[in-house]
Amino acid sequence: AQSVSQHNHHVILSEAASLELGCNYSYGGTVNLFWYVQYPGQHLQLLLKYFSGDPLVKGIKGFEAEFIKSKFSFNLRKPSVQWSDTAEYFCAVNPVDSGNTPLVFGKGTRLSVIA
Amino acid sequence: EPEVTQTPSHQVTQMGQEVILRCVPISNHLYFYWYRQILGQKVEFLVSFYNNEISEKSEIFDDQFSVERPDGSNFTLKIRSTKLEDSAMYFCASSDRGGWQNEKLFFGSGTQLSVL
Repeated sequence: AQSVSQHNHHVILSEAASLELGCNYSYGGTVNLFWYVQYPGQHLQLLLKYFSGDPLVKGIKGFEAEFIKSKFSFNLRKPSVQWSDTAEYFCAVNPVDSGNTPLVFGKGTRLSVIA
Repeated sequence: EPEVTQTPSHQVTQMGQEVILRCVPISNHLYFYWYRQILGQKVEFLVSFYNNEISEKSEIFDDQFSVERPDGSNFTLKIRSTKLEDSAMYFCASSDRGGWQNEKLFFGSGTQLSVL
């Protein structure tokens, strides 16, 4: 079965620090990759996605992610975090060559940004 | 931006009771999903629904669970006899496309189910 690993359970950063959240998946075929964000008290929102093409994907609010196929990774990055980035971040994978397969989520990484 | 609406936001129930979680997907969407997130764990897929039938379900979605689209707007998840381990945040999602074309799932804000 496919699985998604997010290495960090809780990350604490100061404002303006750089962010990198790790995500690895276990699936040998073609995948679509997503990062979702859940702000406190709010619903899941799509942050960015990768389907094909340029492996460096830019999303909303200055976030980007890089797909490295050889490492089965899709790490999320932001050069300078803000207090408003405090949220839970979920990586998700959707295998594309196995029919109507739902998204498989990682356990999430909680990001706390302090002033 | 259109939204998926879930009610109630918080449901408390006694073990063994039946609960119905309600969702109003985005009006022109055809694919509907339920996911859940147990506190401290990952978001898990429960079931997908298309054309008035279940298209896929996970191992979690056993005989105690059922889904229904009773009218043109609502999509419900029923748990017949709740167990303590059913306590979780339940998310409804909808999309205008399914499978590998599923570019974007729109999620609701969730219903926190607490089974006592």
